[in-house]
Amino acid sequence: QVQLVESGGGVVQPGKSLRLSCAASGFTFSLYAMHWVRQPAGKGPEWVALISYDGTNKYYADSVKGRFTISRDNSKDTVSLQMNNVRAEDTAVYYCANGLSGSYFPFDYWGQGTLVTVSS
Amino acid sequence: EIVMTQSPATLSVSPGERATLSCRASQSVSSKLAWYQQKPGQAPRLLIYGASTRATGIPARFSGSGSGTEFTLTISSLQSEDFAVYYCQQYKNWPGTFGPGTKVDIK
Repeated sequence: QVQLVESGGGVVQPGKSLRLSCAASGFTFSLYAMHWVRQPAGKGPEWVALISYDGTNKYYADSVKGRFTISRDNSKDTVSLQMNNVRAEDTAVYYCANGLSGSYFPFDYWGQGTLVTVSS
Repeated sequence: EIVMTQSPATLSVSPGERATLSCRASQSVSSKLAWYQQKPGQAPRLLIYGASTRATGIPARFSGSGSGTEFTLTISSLQSEDFAVYYCQQYKNWPGTFGPGTKVDIK
């Protein structure tokens, strides 16, 4: 069965960096675009970043452009999110997700999430 | 950016009753509309895509309708496991934006 397992969350100070990872299994990872989606407490989800199946195309929400970088390693079935110069408003649960049937949207499978708290 | 709104914010329903949730887009999204269910401490789960197509494994009591700017999610007979928050998401325009959610709780 499809599994997505995020790791790397924690408490980080404003302006610092954090790297999230997502390990995938149960599907042919190299054929799927992958997303990071975040959800602040009590609010709806917000799409953060997308990487195409082969890593050649990357897209970002305006709120994170220039600060976050998405990457993937198809030999290890992992996708990562490098978060630099974090802000208080980046505090959220971060999920990795794949697109339905190989499309970009909607989001089909989600991981369990990893909590990122930005606080001094 | 397309703004999604949902109503009501909270819907109190008795088990076995029908629940009707609404979602509105600030401009037409055609049928590029998905519904998700989220229970406390869990990730969202895809219920409906293409406005009316149930995702794999989703029970027939869940149905979606609408196109353009007005959409509805109907749960025909609420089961105990259906009490949750429901989000709509448009994916017609980049980025796919979510509504603020409707919480369905026990009356």
